[in-house]
Amino acid sequence: AQTVTQSQPEMSVQEAETVTLSCTYDTSESNYYLFWYKQPPSRQMILVIRQEAYKQQNATENRFSVNFQKAAKSFSLKISDSQLGDTAMYFCAFMILTGGGNKLTFGTGTQLKVEL
Amino acid sequence: DAGITQSPRHKVTETGTPVTLRCHQTENHRYMYWYRQDPGHGLRLIHYSYGVKDTDKGEVSDGYSVSRSKTEDFLLTLESATSSQTSVYFCAATSSQMGEGRYEQYFGPGTRLTVT
Repeated sequence: AQTVTQSQPEMSVQEAETVTLSCTYDTSESNYYLFWYKQPPSRQMILVIRQEAYKQQNATENRFSVNFQKAAKSFSLKISDSQLGDTAMYFCAFMILTGGGNKLTFGTGTQLKVEL
Repeated sequence: DAGITQSPRHKVTETGTPVTLRCHQTENHRYMYWYRQDPGHGLRLIHYSYGVKDTDKGEVSDGYSVSRSKTEDFLLTLESATSSQTSVYFCAATSSQMGEGRYEQYFGPGTRLTVT
């Protein structure tokens, strides 16, 4: 079974600063995807960034980037120039690329608060 | 939200009553999923579908059943609701298969269910 661990239940950061959210996962598979989803107070789940396990290069999307360490099974999210609108719950998620449904396994989430 | 709606958005029901939640999508996605979100657990997969009339169990399927009689609709039924099924329920969908697409799951807005 696959597991995803987010060890930081809550974090806070000052506006314009940089923050890193941690995520580790456990799997014996070699072909998989990793994701970070954001859930603001509206409750809508929004994809922030994805990483293919076979790619060594870390994914980036504007102010969001990841540090993917495959051997260590670590997948942290860095948010640069934090904005008030980044306040949300962030979930790390893992997907094995089987032919049977591409199911997501989520971590328990990190509540991020961006403060003035 | 990629054309995914859920109904109802909020429901309060009594223990022992049957409840059906509906997920409707307009993008002809092949795969559909039902998750529940609880504090301290993140999102957990209940059931998923990989085509019309093709469904399978997820991590927390006990007490739930699903049906998919057409591509656009995926129904989740609680045969006899219990207080432990009080939760926020999310539907998701994707068209991605092995070797193609980016495997993003698109989420509906969620349904808050309270069982008293």
